[in-house]
Amino acid sequence: QVQLQESGPRLVKPSQTLSLTCSVSGITVRSGSYYWSWVRQPAGKGLEWLGRIFASGSATYNPSLKSRVTISLDRTKNEFSLKLNSVTAADTAIYFCARDDKVGFDLWGQGALVAVSS
Amino acid sequence: DIQMTQSPSSLSVSIGDRVTITCRASQAIRHDLGWYQQKPGKAPRRLIYAASNLDSGVPSRFSGSGSGTEFTLTISSLQPEDFATYYCLQHNSLPLTFGGGTKVEIK
Repeated sequence: QVQLQESGPRLVKPSQTLSLTCSVSGITVRSGSYYWSWVRQPAGKGLEWLGRIFASGSATYNPSLKSRVTISLDRTKNEFSLKLNSVTAADTAIYFCARDDKVGFDLWGQGALVAVSS
Repeated sequence: DIQMTQSPSSLSVSIGDRVTITCRASQAIRHDLGWYQQKPGKAPRRLIYAASNLDSGVPSRFSGSGSGTEFTLTISSLQPEDFATYYCLQHNSLPLTFGGGTKVEIK
């Protein structure tokens, strides 16, 4: 059974870096059949795609984040990670990791609520 | 970026009603659209991919149609477990973009 699980600090101070990891079980992140994505959702609002990474390590980001985001892949730990720097209160959201089977997101983590506050 | 305009933003319906939700893309996206259901406190779940293909385990009362710029999600007979928020997602071009969501509530 394939599962995704987010982990990382749930409270980040303004101007600092938000870091989350998505642990993948049941499938290798080296599979060429999928992208590995991050999606976020502020409380009571809609969904925003942040970016994705392929097995090769090539990543693509949403330009709306203005180069604040980095997604990386750790093949030895079978996980991928999100870093979002210079955070503000507007970055407070539930962050989901998700598997992209090239026709959308077929599998999601349960989500991690991250608050930006001093 | 491709803008996805979803309508209505909310609707109140009764059990057994037929429900139709529409998503319009700001430019043609072929069949590169999916529909997602999200319940409170949960991650979204994909229902439909490539505009009209039902994901495994999704009840047959859900169906999708459309191509180009206009797409529809239909629930033929609403069941209690279908009260949720529904989103469309285009994966034709980057950045991937979602519609604003449609909240389906009990009348």
